[in-house]
Amino acid sequence: ETGVTQTPRHLVMGMTNKKSLKCEQHLGHNAMYWYKQSAKKPLELMFVYNFKEQTENNSVPSRFSPECPNSSHLFLHLHTLQPEDSALYLCASSQDSNPRGSYEQYFGPGTRLTVT
Amino acid sequence: AQSVAQPEDQVNVAEGNPLTVKCTYSVSGNPYLFWYVQYPNRGLQFLLKYITGDNLVKGSYGFEAEFNKSQTSFHLKKPSALVSDSALYFCAVRDWAGRGSTLGRLYFGRGTQLTVWP
Repeated sequence: ETGVTQTPRHLVMGMTNKKSLKCEQHLGHNAMYWYKQSAKKPLELMFVYNFKEQTENNSVPSRFSPECPNSSHLFLHLHTLQPEDSALYLCASSQDSNPRGSYEQYFGPGTRLTVT
Repeated sequence: AQSVAQPEDQVNVAEGNPLTVKCTYSVSGNPYLFWYVQYPNRGLQFLLKYITGDNLVKGSYGFEAEFNKSQTSFHLKKPSALVSDSALYFCAVRDWAGRGSTLGRLYFGRGTQLTVWP
């Protein structure tokens, strides 16, 4: 988790709230990712940004809106969520997201989100 | 289709004994393979990777993994387990010769909970 920070670490929100998750990487990487981790399910890739440009949206509902103002910061804006959206949201970064690159991803500690 | 299987949800081993966490993969081209570990309330932490070359890869904290192309496996091993190794372990594969939108995506297994008892 060193080098990638996420805030808040825990978030409880109602279905009509608007909130944002923040991720910051201090590793000089150019690619950033959002993942959703639910119990008993594989890690789900949500979004990929490479050099601030979104390169992948893995069929994520529009109630999740990412923003990447620069290569060090990534946000996930949340609006009108459902209880099934409760999960651990992980941010990661890598040197880049070149499909032929072998760069490993470095993860933040995650935000534990509970939607009531 | 690209996929990763970790056939064991849980592995239990006594401290000091060798441990193995299994992983098999399916890709359309040559794989890049990774192991990550997740401690409670933490993100995933990179352990090691196989790209090419020597089939035995050494990583952090005394872990190693062996790439076996014929068996499409990449099992994680450690000669002598520690209680502090208890955590959730994820295998992941990237297919660098895939097609379209799946090219370069990292596919994770469901994870194996390793418990090392004293």
